[in-house]
Amino acid sequence: SQKIEQNSEALNIQEGKTATLTCNYTNYSPAYLQWYRQDPGRGPVFLLLIRENEKEKRKERLKVTFDTTLKQSLFHITASQPADSATYLCALDVGRDDKIIFGKGTRLHILP
Amino acid sequence: EAGVAQSPRYKIIEKRQSVAFWCNPISGHATLYWYQQILGQGPKLLIQFQNNGVVDDSQLPKDRFSAERLKGVDSTLKIQPAKLEDSAVYLCASSLRVSSYNEQFFGPGTRLTVL
Repeated sequence: SQKIEQNSEALNIQEGKTATLTCNYTNYSPAYLQWYRQDPGRGPVFLLLIRENEKEKRKERLKVTFDTTLKQSLFHITASQPADSATYLCALDVGRDDKIIFGKGTRLHILP
Repeated sequence: EAGVAQSPRYKIIEKRQSVAFWCNPISGHATLYWYQQILGQGPKLLIQFQNNGVVDDSQLPKDRFSAERLKGVDSTLKIQPAKLEDSAVYLCASSLRVSSYNEQFFGPGTRLTVL
């Protein structure tokens, strides 16, 4: 069956360090993958999209990689700050009509 | 640019009662989505509209849930009758058009509690 897994339910990182979140999937061949941020009581906010033919994408302190052989995406936040604390969701395209499937998310806590 | 608007923000009802949620997408966005997000889970797609037509409603429990998007703009999602397991946040999202890798813009959601 099709499955998306995000590495852990919660991740604690010291301020200033790089936070790395993992998204693994099975039985999909997505054309693209997206990462969203969700704060408590709010809807998800789009951060980055990476296509299957792209190895890496950057936006300010964010970096996303996409390895279609390993079926894995890594999401990095460099020089992390307490304001980066949130739940991060990965979402995969399922091949039709721009429908995407979300993972459960990883709650990231940046400790001051 | 105004974001996706949803109302109400919170709703508490008894099981077997009915409830309706309203969504106003970003102006000009042809595609509208309704998601259900249970605590600790990612959003799960219930229904997707392209203008006022349904693109995907394969995960909508049609015996109790219904949705419409009149005139291809606002949308309502209804649950009748509600069950305890319907307690969740209902998120509405919109995107510019289908099949363009466009990101989805989400509203704040409606938190439903069924007692």
